[in-house]
Order: sequence, then structure tokens, then C-alpha cells
Amino acid sequence: NAGVMQNPRHLVRRRGQEARLRCSPMKGHSHVYWYRQLPEEGLKFMVYLQKENIIDESGMPKERFSAEFPKEGPSILRIQQVVRGDSAAYFCASSSGVGSYEQYFGPGTRLTVT
Amino acid sequence: EDKVVQSPLSLVVHEGDTVTLNCSYEVTNFRSLLWYKQEKKAPTFLFMLTSSGIEKKSGRLSSILDKKELFSILNITATQTGDSAIYLCALTGANNLFFGTGTRLTVIP
Repeated sequence: NAGVMQNPRHLVRRRGQEARLRCSPMKGHSHVYWYRQLPEEGLKFMVYLQKENIIDESGMPKERFSAEFPKEGPSILRIQQVVRGDSAAYFCASSSGVGSYEQYFGPGTRLTVT
Repeated sequence: EDKVVQSPLSLVVHEGDTVTLNCSYEVTNFRSLLWYKQEKKAPTFLFMLTSSGIEKKSGRLSSILDKKELFSILNITATQTGDSAIYLCALTGANNLFFGTGTRLTVIP
């Protein structure tokens, strides 16, 4: 039973480019969460999605960031026109659903903006 | 605003020592408290605590929650170098986990 998968593991982008981060939840999980971890800081919630729905995006920056979880395929976190401050580790987690508080994390995507 | 404070921020011990990591919190609506271990990659789930006074145990690790005093502790006995990691405490929010900044544990051979 594969765990949460994220790709790419490392991504380098120049300022102004777009970054697309992918997350496939654990088998049987339909709830996906994205977190960002800045250097020397804790994990900060960004967005919570179920299939085809954004449930809570209260942690997402208002501009340049978007997320989706289509009916088919992985969840995507998109960052447009990246800036140096976007450099961080982006983790995806999944859970089986409402009432399940256990979230299982993927290995993360480390984004570096040069 | 919900708050999770972990202490100490970092800790260096020798193999075989016992350590206690602390997590205190303030929350409007408590659902559960979770502990994770983060090495160089994904946080790995350790424990979920919902009730006061009931110890959860897994090998050399154990954890307990005190909902009256609003804290939890994570104990590791007979530490090994493989226990070196950042230990994260998190509260369950309505739709997410709210993390503390973690305790960095280093176990020296």
C-alpha cells in the first residue's frame, strides 16, 4: 500500500517562472492537505481539498498560489511567478475523511527559487 | 488564536538517556493532539491523543495528554542515534493540523 506520493522531490525555478507540485494521496484517502515549511520554521497549513472541491484555503497566500484536486489524477499546488520567498519545503498530507484526524505526509517537494 | 508551544527547542543527549519533550497549547475547540517525528523528509505519525490521562505507547516512545493543564509530553527511553529528529506536536483544527515549531533532538553515540 503506497503512501502519499509527491513529485518532484526537488524543483528549481527562476524568479517569475511557474512551479507545479503534485500529490497523490494514500490509497483510500480522499482528503488532501498542503503545508509549507520555511527554513527553521514549523509546518504551516495552506489548503484542504477533497475531490473537485476546495474546502478550506485560509492558509493560502491571496495571490499567485492555487490548488486543485481533480476527479482524476493528483492534487496540484501551483505557484505562479515565483519569488525567492517561495523557497521552502511543500508537504502534502492525506486522510481518509471527516472524523479521521490522522494525516499521513508525503516526502515533500523542496522548491528553490534562484 | 490557537497556539502550540514546544519545549525545549533543542536537546542534545547521549545514547541510553531518557528524554521528555513538552507541548503546551491553547485552543478554542480541542479535538485531538498529534505527535510526529520528522527526520530529513516527511513527518511520520507517532501518536494521536484525545483523552486525558491515557498513555499511548509504542516501543520506547510513550505520550500522555493533560487536558486540564493543557499540555502533552512525549517520552523516549533508552535513546538511540536513530531517534535524532525534530519532534512535532500538532493540534487538530476544523480542517487542518496546527503545528508547533518542534523540538530538535540530537542523540550522541
